[in-house]
Amino acid sequence: ILNVEQSPQSLHVQEGDSTNFTCSFPSSNFYALHWYRWETAKSPEALFVMTLNGDEKKKGRISATLNTKEGYSYLYIKGSQPEDSATYLCACERDGNNRKLIWGLGTSLAVNP
Amino acid sequence: DAGITQSPRHKVTETGTPVTLRCHQTENHRYMYWYRQDPGHGLRLIHYSYGVKDTDKGEVSDGYSVSRSKTEDFLLTLESATSSQTSVYFCAIRGGTDNLAQYFGPGTRLLVL
Repeated sequence: ILNVEQSPQSLHVQEGDSTNFTCSFPSSNFYALHWYRWETAKSPEALFVMTLNGDEKKKGRISATLNTKEGYSYLYIKGSQPEDSATYLCACERDGNNRKLIWGLGTSLAVNP
Repeated sequence: DAGITQSPRHKVTETGTPVTLRCHQTENHRYMYWYRQDPGHGLRLIHYSYGVKDTDKGEVSDGYSVSRSKTEDFLLTLESATSSQTSVYFCAIRGGTDNLAQYFGPGTRLLVL
């Protein structure tokens, strides 16, 4: 069974804190690693898709890194704001899997003002 | 906005009745997916399509069928709805060759009594 594991499961931080989450994925037949942001009562929104070992992506205060050899990715949020409160999902896309994603269960972030 | 709509947005039905959910896209994307979201399980793939009349099963396909007779529409049918199929259903498309991200519709909330 090929799983994508995310940690921690949930996180509570104060406004202004910086935080990071981990996504572990199977490194064999790797094709791409996806990060999504999912606010309550909305649909998941794509943050980043990374394909190359050592990739780093950034969007505003959010950034992500990728290590395909050891099968992990980190998502960083600098200076968390209450509007960053959401569930952050990662998903692994494997080569030859007909573009299906293997999803993690997410990290739920709550940012207190 | 990837031009994805879902209908209906909410539905209440009775056990044993057939239900069809529709996903419509306006941008000619090849790959389309149906997911269900349940607490503690995250997103689970029901069925997906990689072209007109080309579909395959996901991890939770029992009790569901799909059809894709034209590029823009991907239909999900619950052949005989059960209470265990009460869920939020999301349709998604894949961006394309240069855009690997998935883009989600607004979701359909289904209650089976």
